Amino acid sequence: EPEVTQTPSHQVTQMGQEVILRCVPISNHLYFYWYRQILGQKVEFLVSFYNNEISEKSEIFDDQFSVERPDGSNFTLKIRSTKLEDSAMYFCASSRFPGGAFFGQGTRLTVV
Amino acid sequence: GQNIDQPTEMTATEGAIVQINCTYQTSGFNGLFWYQQHAGEAPTFLSYNVLDGLEEKGRFSSFLSRSKGYSYLLLKELQMKDSASYLCAVRDDDYKLSFGAGTTVTVRA
Repeated sequence: EPEVTQTPSHQVTQMGQEVILRCVPISNHLYFYWYRQILGQKVEFLVSFYNNEISEKSEIFDDQFSVERPDGSNFTLKIRSTKLEDSAMYFCASSRFPGGAFFGQGTRLTVV
Repeated sequence: GQNIDQPTEMTATEGAIVQINCTYQTSGFNGLFWYQQHAGEAPTFLSYNVLDGLEEKGRFSSFLSRSKGYSYLLLKELQMKDSASYLCAVRDDDYKLSFGAGTTVTVRA
């Protein structure tokens, strides 16, 4: 069964450093998303991406965040200068139709 | 804004039935999703409702009433592996998902 894959599974970084989280969406999907989940809290929408551009973003997705689809298969989330409060599980998701999504296994980001 | 409410915890016995309710008040509605999430893992898709009524999928069923802003997820013939968090999520007019805080279901032998 096709699945969304994310790398790395766990990333530890120092405050102020840049991180790039990588995702390979399901191949025939057209809509891509990043969500995050701070430990013990609910899943929060960050950004949606369609047709090579951002279609929606939340208040969390400020200027420190960016997304890119550098080639036909990868979808990345960059955090330019990480803060302690960026520590969370980051989920990539994709779908053929807008909205409902299949999630990757997540990258646990720990900022120290 | 989005307001999605579901109970924090529920406990049930193996083989029993549990119903998880979800009420929502959202700016726009374009479907309601239920996801299962085991601790430390990703949410996995369970069901989707966009029209009123019941959708059945094996041991899991989901119901929606748009006029009442209400949905439930029904888990039948509970198994130990069903112990997890169940997330109610509403898709808005911009097609993004807003999640509730999740209901932790504990299945006891």
